[in-house]
Amino acid sequence: DSGVTQTPKHLITATGQRVTLRCSPRSGDLSVYWYQQSLDQGLQFLIQYYNGEERAKGNILERFSAQQFPDLHSELNLSSLELGDSALYFCASSTEDEQFFGPGTRLTVL
Amino acid sequence: AQSVSQHNHHVILSEAASLELGCNYSYGGTVNLFWYVQYPGQHLQLLLKYFSGDPLVKGIKGFEAEFIKSKFSFNLRKPSVQWSDTAEYFCAVNGGFKTIFGAGTRLFVKA
Repeated sequence: DSGVTQTPKHLITATGQRVTLRCSPRSGDLSVYWYQQSLDQGLQFLIQYYNGEERAKGNILERFSAQQFPDLHSELNLSSLELGDSALYFCASSTEDEQFFGPGTRLTVL
Repeated sequence: AQSVSQHNHHVILSEAASLELGCNYSYGGTVNLFWYVQYPGQHLQLLLKYFSGDPLVKGIKGFEAEFIKSKFSFNLRKPSVQWSDTAEYFCAVNGGFKTIFGAGTRLFVKA
């Protein structure tokens, strides 16, 4: 158990819908990262927040957005969902450079 | 731009065979280097990391990696693999704020 929690574990939805994935970092970690893992794209860095502010952006689509709240939990919002958005979405947190990963949310878009 | 390249996408070994997984990166500045492992159905876990000092780093479960700065490489090794090492292995590089992961290498160890 890494100490990072993610909800929900599984999410099944339809194309065109919008979903919100939630991540709670380890106690004391200020950084939260979001990743997308799919069979064809591998592990893709989406975005990083540090203490409530966006710090780095990766391959995040415009249909996706994220935020980190004052209590340091983070949410990843995915809208206008497409079949290709089906993937595992991981959140990770860190204090220095080592990242601790959550169990992931498996999103299936039908 | 930062990039990480893992040479092998799939590796199949028999138990007790030696393992070496290649990782090369491109980044002009100082980097921190990591190997993560993802066992089937689980999340990524840190195997080992290099920040500075001895370029030969020892991690958990008998894994080690060597940082060769001149080759921009950070290869993962294990002298004798076990069936339980079947997993996907990711090399990652942090330069600045971003951590970039390689595409991963799927290792299957035959019992």
